[in-house]
Amino acid sequence: GIQVEQSPPDLILQEGANSTLRCNFSDSVNNLQWFHQNPWGQLINLFYIPSGTKQNGRLSATTVATERYSLLYISSSQTTDSGVYFCAVASYGGATNKLIFGTGTLLAVQP
Amino acid sequence: DSGVTQTPKHLITATGQRVTLRCSPRSGDLSVYWYQQSLDQGLQFLIQYYNGEERAKGNILERFSAQQFPDLHSELNLSSLELGDSALYFCASSPKTGMNTEAFFGQGTRLTVV
Repeated sequence: GIQVEQSPPDLILQEGANSTLRCNFSDSVNNLQWFHQNPWGQLINLFYIPSGTKQNGRLSATTVATERYSLLYISSSQTTDSGVYFCAVASYGGATNKLIFGTGTLLAVQP
Repeated sequence: DSGVTQTPKHLITATGQRVTLRCSPRSGDLSVYWYQQSLDQGLQFLIQYYNGEERAKGNILERFSAQQFPDLHSELNLSSLELGDSALYFCASSPKTGMNTEAFFGQGTRLTVV
């Protein structure tokens, strides 16, 4: 099955710093989503981005489907950005949108 | 708020017991997915229902079962519980299945088996 790798596994930032999180996937995908899991365990949708570039406030994401990777950019980080960031994909051509998750990037933003 | 509702939020039960987790999808969504998040296995897909019928199955144990009812809510039944079943169980929903469909997740049910 499709493999999803995220890097870095851990990241510590000072408030106000910028960061880039990467997601590599091993096969063509239908869908790609980025999630933020906050310290309370909630999974919050950040981007639905099977291809192209999107921006939402301080966050933006780019997926280059032909090269099988996606990047999540966080600018001017805040302590509330802390948590785990997951990339999840659905295999291309499947009749289901079941998501395969990466192992996540644990982000800690210090004041 | 994603619009996906899961109950209960927390559940503590003893080994050998049976529990039922409930999920109400977003209004109009026909697909419901169940995921398990444990420390050693990460976030894993368990099972999907689409408009009342099973659509896809992941690494779901035989002790676990699910169903989707005519009103589209779904229940995940976990029986003969073991300590290793302690995990965060998520339900997600999407409008359809297959390509070009975004999934939204509920707040999860944190199950602790003692």
